[in-house]
Amino acid sequence: AQSVAQPEDQVNVAEGNPLTVKCTYSVSGNPYLFWYVQYPNRGLQFLLKYITGDNLVKGSYGFEAEFNKSQTSFHLKKPSALVSDSALYFCAVRESQAGTALIFGKGTTLSVSS
Amino acid sequence: EAGVVQSPRYKIIEKKQPVAFWCNPISGHNTLYWYLQNLGQGPELLIRYENEEAVDDSQLPKDRFSAERLKGVDSTLKIQPAELGDSAVYLCASSPGGLAGTYNEQFFGPGTRLTVL
Repeated sequence: AQSVAQPEDQVNVAEGNPLTVKCTYSVSGNPYLFWYVQYPNRGLQFLLKYITGDNLVKGSYGFEAEFNKSQTSFHLKKPSALVSDSALYFCAVRESQAGTALIFGKGTTLSVSS
Repeated sequence: EAGVVQSPRYKIIEKKQPVAFWCNPISGHNTLYWYLQNLGQGPELLIRYENEEAVDDSQLPKDRFSAERLKGVDSTLKIQPAELGDSAVYLCASSPGGLAGTYNEQFFGPGTRLTVL
């Protein structure tokens, strides 16, 4: 069965510092991995995805993520955090087989202080 | 390009009452999803449509929940009767169908926040 773990409920960083939001996954086959962000009272917005190819994926708003197959991880990173990055971040995984559902982690709240 | 549209945005009802949520996906997206998001949790799939066919409804509580997508475009999710535990955010998402949908991300609407009193 597929599963996603986001081990941190909250991550606190100072503006200008690098940030990392952790995600590990479990699937039986090849994973398709996604990061979404959710602002209060709004739907989820897509940030980036890993399907195949280069392990380092770049996405919206300066975010990037690195796929690590041996550690089954897909951590979200940004070199310099902004206060406006404060939001709820979700990692999600699905198997590469067509028709499989997208499984979300429980989310990590990122708080960037000025 | 218009995003996924959902209505209403908020709904407050008494328990045992019926409630319905509406979703209009992005134009051309054949795949439509309904998710349930409880407070402090990630979204959980309720049902997935490919055009007008429900291809994955294994997580839909069929004793009280129903959904339809009659013309393969917009969709309605209904709860009858609602229970206190149904209070949550109901999210609709869409993506291109077929092989493109396998690789592509899902696009989410703003959700409907349901409060059952």
